[in-house]
Amino acid sequence: DVKVTQSSRYLVKRTGEKVFLECVQDMDHENMFWYRQDPGLGLRLIYFSYDVKMKEKGDIPEGYSVSREKKERFSLILESASTNQTSMYLCASSPWAGVSYSGANVLTFGAGSRLTVL
Amino acid sequence: SQQGEEDPQALSIQEGENATMNCSYKTSINNLQWYRQNSGRGLVHLILIRSNEREKHSGRLRVTLDTSKKSSSLLITASRAADTASYFCATSRRTTDSWGKFQFGAGTQVVVTP
Repeated sequence: DVKVTQSSRYLVKRTGEKVFLECVQDMDHENMFWYRQDPGLGLRLIYFSYDVKMKEKGDIPEGYSVSREKKERFSLILESASTNQTSMYLCASSPWAGVSYSGANVLTFGAGSRLTVL
Repeated sequence: SQQGEEDPQALSIQEGENATMNCSYKTSINNLQWYRQNSGRGLVHLILIRSNEREKHSGRLRVTLDTSKKSSSLLITASRAADTASYFCATSRRTTDSWGKFQFGAGTQVVVTP
């Protein structure tokens, strides 16, 4: 019954390595999001995408990039991992809210990927 | 900056007691949602309240929204050990585009002891 799948639950990488975090959803959602979660800071939005090949920066995009080549897949890329990117990364998806925004979209999250950068 | 801020940061109660947590936000919103997160896992949606609603119920959950005070509360009645988790509020506001960005608070960590 899993709807948002993150490819890795735990990763350990070294400083300077390129890191790919993959996220796949099977609900045909238009919107996909990447958050990072750190103690005391809650969830902070890194990037989101509202359509294939479309992306928008969130609140903390520095040091990250994303790719959305297919509707169901949204990848987060750390070009050169640093120790301050050690965190829990959460992918989420939601349906399109509609032009009038009369609907309300709800986020469905993956289980998370805990990344440690040494 | 965080749009939603939960209060208290941590809450410890015994089974059967009620748990109340609050969320304050800064800007106008379309809706406010509450999510739950078990340790080391992703968040799960609990309940959504729209900006034109004042109260909503779902099972043992009761959510209120006061847009004049820019605040919401989540009440869990007759708590169980399985309610032990972190609870987050998330706000969504209208933008010029049709999608909504969500802003989360830092969460309230609830521990329910048997």
